[in-house]
Amino acid sequence: KAGVTQTPRYLIKTRGQQVTLSCSPISGHRSVSWYQQTPGQGLQFLFEYFSETQRNKGNFPGRFSGRQFSNSRSEMNVSTLELGDSALYLCASSLIPQGTGANVLTFGAGSRLTVL
Amino acid sequence: QKEVEQNSGPLSVPEGAIASLNCTYSDRGSQSFFWYRQYSGKSPELIMFIYSNGDKEDGRFTAQLNKASQYVSLLIRDSQPSDSATYLCAVIRGLTGGGNKLTFGTGTQLKVEL
Repeated sequence: KAGVTQTPRYLIKTRGQQVTLSCSPISGHRSVSWYQQTPGQGLQFLFEYFSETQRNKGNFPGRFSGRQFSNSRSEMNVSTLELGDSALYLCASSLIPQGTGANVLTFGAGSRLTVL
Repeated sequence: QKEVEQNSGPLSVPEGAIASLNCTYSDRGSQSFFWYRQYSGKSPELIMFIYSNGDKEDGRFTAQLNKASQYVSLLIRDSQPSDSATYLCAVIRGLTGGGNKLTFGTGTQLKVEL
């Protein structure tokens, strides 16, 4: 079966712009989590959505937002981009919410954002 | 104190040796522990998870958990060059407002040398 699909894979933006990233989870998976990965900070949790509801949110400013659709596809948006937003954004899906039993995340290939 | 701490490495081991990767966590209430492997330029993939104190073996990999010491480790026996990657420790911890989240360490880079 198809894995987690993230689009676009690469994108370049300039400061002040906004960006929308998309994630299609594995079929049947209802939980989608987003992470930001940078060399210095590692994988930082952004938020998790389950059945169209945001369950948890990490310590990121309000410029970072997301949503989940009825088909479990998720999008995240970053507004007013800053240089420090340059990172690999990873989406991961799972059958059940984080923290529930044997919750195994399957990651997508990521969207690499460069802010100039 | 970081929630999940790992030595960034690189950890270099010769081919065929045992690689030992360590991770400590701060939340004593953490229940579930995971090891992910991430090759350069790729996304993380799950190697194994452990819930109970003690050892859990899966092929060449053994995860060890000591909740009293808040310590989890991953042993890789008969290390191969293909094991060269960054190994991420992840811990499920509760949130102040309720719910849980998976928190990752920054990873340990492993290099297996011929």
